[in-house]
Amino acid sequence: GAVVSQHPSRVICKSGTSVKIECRSLDFQATTMFWYRQFPKQSLMLMATSNEGSKATYEQGVEKDKFLINHASLTLSTLTVTSAHPEDSSFYICSARATGKGNTIYFGEGSWLTVV
Amino acid sequence: LAKTTQPISMDSYEGQEVNITCSHNNIATNDYITWYQQFPSQGPRFIIQGYKTKVTNEVASLFIPADRKSSTLSLPRVSLSDTAVYYCLVGDPFSGGYNKLIFGAGTRLAVHP
Repeated sequence: GAVVSQHPSRVICKSGTSVKIECRSLDFQATTMFWYRQFPKQSLMLMATSNEGSKATYEQGVEKDKFLINHASLTLSTLTVTSAHPEDSSFYICSARATGKGNTIYFGEGSWLTVV
Repeated sequence: LAKTTQPISMDSYEGQEVNITCSHNNIATNDYITWYQQFPSQGPRFIIQGYKTKVTNEVASLFIPADRKSSTLSLPRVSLSDTAVYYCLVGDPFSGGYNKLIFGAGTRLAVHP
């Protein structure tokens, strides 16, 4: 299978600060990446679709100015949580569509964000 | 987008075969069926994907009847390490609609000694 890597795997930040999470496709190019968040014992919730070289498409109810997504290259997408608050604490997961590998979507390992 | 329905939870014992069925009554002609496995605090792991009939790989088999309104993930001889949440998703990988990979509640499989 294809490999998608996220960094950092865990991050703690102070309330009011911003934190960036990176998502990289290591062995394939991904024109489309996706960002999810997941609360404990719940399913994944799609936040936004990130397209290389264009603006991200956000799902209803997700604040685009709070969750900044940048997809500057075919192997990297970043999610920046701006002015983080404790309610933003969650497990964030990215995924990437492996163009040329059956368009199968592969997921990263996830990143735990704790805002204190 | 085809909605999926799976059992909320299942229990099994080590060495048994486990079959998890997913209903997707309004699956579209171009939709594929994909199954993922998720362990706590990890991202979902791709298990298997299929369009029709039967697909088999080194970890699982996927059975899809002719009407494609359901599918069954078969895990042979499960072990304790197969305890996880299993998600069934449908979508067309070759169209923009596949972008919206919406997860349902999944099936929590617990394997007991």
